[in-house]
Amino acid sequence: KNQVEQSPQSLIILEGKNCTLQCNYTVSPFSNLRWYKQDTGRGPVSLTIMTFSENTKSNGRYTATLDADTKQSSLHITASQLSDSASYICVVSAGGTYKYIFGTGTRLKVLA
Amino acid sequence: GAVVSQHPSWVICKSGTSVKIECRSLDFQATTMFWYRQFPKQSLMLMATSNEGSKATYEQGVEKDKFLINHASLTLSTLTVTSAHPEDSSFYICSATGTTVYEQYFGPGTRLTVT
Repeated sequence: KNQVEQSPQSLIILEGKNCTLQCNYTVSPFSNLRWYKQDTGRGPVSLTIMTFSENTKSNGRYTATLDADTKQSSLHITASQLSDSASYICVVSAGGTYKYIFGTGTRLKVLA
Repeated sequence: GAVVSQHPSWVICKSGTSVKIECRSLDFQATTMFWYRQFPKQSLMLMATSNEGSKATYEQGVEKDKFLINHASLTLSTLTVTSAHPEDSSFYICSATGTTVYEQYFGPGTRLTVT
């Protein structure tokens, strides 16, 4: 069964600190993996997209890694800001289809 | 970057009435559009996938007669919630895919409250 699991479910950190969010998937065949940021009451916004051959991709203070062998991805946030408070969703696309499997998300709260 | 808009951003309607939500791709042609619903503190749940000019494909458990989807053009898809009930209150989000399957752009969402 195609599944995407994220951890932790929620996370509270102090402003300026770093954090890492995890995503494990069992989607096959794998096409690509995306990380989205979703502010409360808004639609998701894409942070990174990685295909099978990509190990890491950065977008400002966000760096995503992908290990296709272990089927794991992480999203590292550097020097967190209050505006980083949001839900972060890992989405994996199955190859050859328009099927996107969503993780349950990690709710991040950054405190001053 | 590609922009997807939704209208309205929020709507309140009475039980038993119908409400239409529009999803538009503003600067690209959306070959496929998706409709999701999201309950508080939960992830997005795919409701249906629609291709321009074709009937929508609904996910298991989604009533096609209740959630009418029309993808009339490459830039517009509509979701009509018919005979709305309070349990239909949710956050509805559309997304659109252009020429590359990698790219999926989400709209800002529509908050529906049925009283």
